[in-house]
Amino acid sequence: SAVISQKPSRDICQRGTSLTIQCQVDSQVTMMFWYRQQPGQSLTLIATANQGSEATYESGFVIDKFPISRPNLTFSTLTVSNMSPEDSSIYLCSVEDFPLAGGFQETQYFGPGTRLLVL
Amino acid sequence: QKEVEQNSGPLSVPEGAIASLNCTYSDRGSQSFFWYRQYSGKSPELIMSIYSNGDKEDGRFTAQLNKASQYVSLLIRDSQPSDSATYLCAVIGGIYNQGGKLIFGQGTELSVKP
Repeated sequence: SAVISQKPSRDICQRGTSLTIQCQVDSQVTMMFWYRQQPGQSLTLIATANQGSEATYESGFVIDKFPISRPNLTFSTLTVSNMSPEDSSIYLCSVEDFPLAGGFQETQYFGPGTRLLVL
Repeated sequence: QKEVEQNSGPLSVPEGAIASLNCTYSDRGSQSFFWYRQYSGKSPELIMSIYSNGDKEDGRFTAQLNKASQYVSLLIRDSQPSDSATYLCAVIGGIYNQGGKLIFGQGTELSVKP
């Protein structure tokens, strides 16, 4: 499976500021995803980051608040803008993988996450 | 109705017992099904994937899929204290879920008592 790293692993930020989270994969992948996990909750998809095109955002998430870049097939960034305490969450990137050569059965692996606390 | 539902926890089993985790999904066109294990403070770790009806075994883990009933389960045999974690059921694909995104259930917390 792909090896995924995220930076930073954690941060404490002041409200009104922005934080950019980086996601790096050790192999080229077509689809990368950004998820949010609020305290005590399950994971919710923020957006799908596609190389060469704008990210696709889920209902409730907007580009002005969560701008995403995908400059190549191994890297993506998520920015959390104008932060408030409600943005305190774990932010996770994931990548799509097809374990079987030539197969269509997909799976997804997650990076280690970025733990964000907004004061 | 939630898209993916899991039986509410926490689930407590004694060491050595079988832990049974259940999940139902609402989109009949869903194609890919996953179980992730998440330890506290860690990111989800994929432990099982299943794509066709029936059982799939991997070591102490068995995933079961019944598309007609829209039901997927995870059995953990010979449960160990190290299996104590939150187990997340996730689904890809379907009429209402395009583009490869995972839809997660709320998770079931499993506690294995020594």
